[in-house]
Amino acid sequence: QSALTQPASVSGSPGQSITISCTGTSSDVGGYNYVSWYQQHPGKAPKLMIYEVSNRPSGVSNRFSGSKSGNTASLTISGLQAEDEADYYCSSYTSSSTQWVFGGGTKLTVL
Amino acid sequence: QVQLQESGPGLVKPSQTLSLTCTVSGGSISSGGYYWSWIRQHPGKGLEWIGYIYYSGSTYYNPSLKSRVTISVDTSKNQFSLKLSSVTAADTAVYYCARAGKLSGAFDIWGQGTMVTVSS
Repeated sequence: QSALTQPASVSGSPGQSITISCTGTSSDVGGYNYVSWYQQHPGKAPKLMIYEVSNRPSGVSNRFSGSKSGNTASLTISGLQAEDEADYYCSSYTSSSTQWVFGGGTKLTVL
Repeated sequence: QVQLQESGPGLVKPSQTLSLTCTVSGGSISSGGYYWSWIRQHPGKGLEWIGYIYYSGSTYYNPSLKSRVTISVDTSKNQFSLKLSSVTAADTAVYYCARAGKLSGAFDIWGQGTMVTVSS
């Protein structure tokens, strides 16, 4: 069981917007702004999409945005494209001895 | 641009030690500002942080693996390594090396990953 809770799957049609949630506790997501999001296509390494809750690395489309409210972080993808179909993982720093935790991942299907 | 590449055996026998190396190119491990990390992904499952090392040699490990994990760095070769002892089938996974920003805490650069199977 992962430390951070994500929905197993979400789906949307091209052009639509979807949001993936990542729920933790006050010891991780709620307590620090060190939440990041990763995109992983089958057979590939994860790719950083969002860091420090809402910052996009250079080269990442502005269709990807992040936010946080309380113990829940969210990744929103607007203007869905077929290439966005992938698994998405959240991660957070935690004050527990584990230090870095991931969510269980969310499979995004573009219909 | 910085790139990471894992290398090591793809098959390890139960009870033996898994050893992997990550070679960093396009940048220096000694430049500071980053944690050099190992992360694994069991087949069809999510990501699990194993631990990291700073160029100075400081390490931090996931408590669930701490008794079996050693991460070391060789700045002269611009490499860092993972050793996981007493492996079982439960250690079968894709192992990634990754760079994490010391300030951002985000894993911004990843190796391609290497599949390690534990089997006799």
